[in-house]
Amino acid sequence: SQTIHQWPATLVQPVGSPLSLECTVEGTSNPNLYWYRQAAGRGLQLLFYSVGIGQISSEVPQNLSASRPQDRQFILSSKKLLLSDSGFYLCAWRSGGTTNEKLFFGSGTQLSVL
Amino acid sequence: GESVGLHLPTLSVQEGDNSIINCAYSNSASDYFIWYKQESGKGPQFIIDIRSNMDKRQGQRVTVLLNKTVKHLSLQIAATQPGDSAVYFCAEMGNSGGSNYKLTFGKGTLLTVNP
Repeated sequence: SQTIHQWPATLVQPVGSPLSLECTVEGTSNPNLYWYRQAAGRGLQLLFYSVGIGQISSEVPQNLSASRPQDRQFILSSKKLLLSDSGFYLCAWRSGGTTNEKLFFGSGTQLSVL
Repeated sequence: GESVGLHLPTLSVQEGDNSIINCAYSNSASDYFIWYKQESGKGPQFIIDIRSNMDKRQGQRVTVLLNKTVKHLSLQIAATQPGDSAVYFCAEMGNSGGSNYKLTFGKGTLLTVNP
């Protein structure tokens, strides 16, 4: 069966510090991978998605970047965090090469930038 | 731009009652819809999905209805239980170009079940 791992679960970082959140998927090959951000009490905003190694699509201009160094690894990064980067970050995957397939989400990372 | 939204931000029901959560979408090209449940501090959990060639789909205690004419989606939960308390999101996906990779979420409805 497929599983998705996301870590850390919580993170407190000072303004201006770097960020690296990692997400890995097991039990599937060539998944579509996604990073979403959720502000408190709000909906999910798509940040990045990837349909293959090294292929990253950015949905909104921001202080963050994403990379996919391996087929089942998706990393969210920042060189210098801003206060506005605080939020709940969710990684998700779905089967690659298909349409209309549901996304499966990780457990999320609560990031607080202070 | 295209968006998916919810009519009611909060819904409070008594245990055992049926719940109906509504969602409006504006992208007429959307052909796949999903309902997710999110408990506090956790990732969204898949509940049920429906494709645009259907107008109703049933799961265990849940039913999703799709009205493409008015671009409306609803989630019905039968015999609501305290464990159903959560935020419910509808989401839509298109079927062409880059949109078939992206799931767009509505704002969410907080369902509270009173014992």
